Amino acid sequence: RKEVEQDPGPFNVPEGATVAFNCTYSNSASQSFFWYRQDCRKEPKLLMSVYSSGNEDGRFTAQLNRASQYISLLIRDSKLSDSATYLCVVTTSGGSYIPTFGRGTSLIVHP
Amino acid sequence: DADVTQTPRNRITKTGKRIMLECSQTKGHDRMYWYRQDPGLGLRLIYYSFDVKDINKGEISDGYSVSRQAQAKFSLSLESAIPNQTALYFCATSEPGTTEQFFGPGTRLTVL
Repeated sequence: RKEVEQDPGPFNVPEGATVAFNCTYSNSASQSFFWYRQDCRKEPKLLMSVYSSGNEDGRFTAQLNRASQYISLLIRDSKLSDSATYLCVVTTSGGSYIPTFGRGTSLIVHP
Repeated sequence: DADVTQTPRNRITKTGKRIMLECSQTKGHDRMYWYRQDPGLGLRLIYYSFDVKDINKGEISDGYSVSRQAQAKFSLSLESAIPNQTALYFCATSEPGTTEQFFGPGTRLTVL
């Protein structure tokens, strides 16, 4: 079983829709959680960190559920420019802060 | 100017050739990483370095070697390239004690 799992999609939604992605992780010692965004053939870039209390950045909301070992990303009012692959990233305790990347979820927002 | 640069950006080579991919950074970060990305497999860690004297194997180090020439430079070598090393290769940096990684633009390598 892969440490970090995501539904690859693609999620195909119209502009203005709300879409949510989940990501599950297998190691209960995981301590830090992030969402990265990757545009086609480009480098990944940090979208947002995920905190236990949940956090919001504009149209984006991230949630962490430690009991069920998953994190989520909610995008409201989808824009065409949100089309990308969203990577779930998890680091595990031990001090090295080496991240493990999920395979990514593809989002396509259409007019 | 980009903070993390990679050269070359694209390379086509033949089986058995030695290839070096280079990464340079101006962010002043101690930690540097090499990943490969394949369709459907996500990013996989090849090697990482926490400082000039510290080199560690990642998830898929077989067939690769690295050199940390300076704080700012981290090179990845394929001693004898094979077709299944065809992939998109990313270099990344981070600061100690943090997890955010800053990626270079990637090198698209094709081994024929």
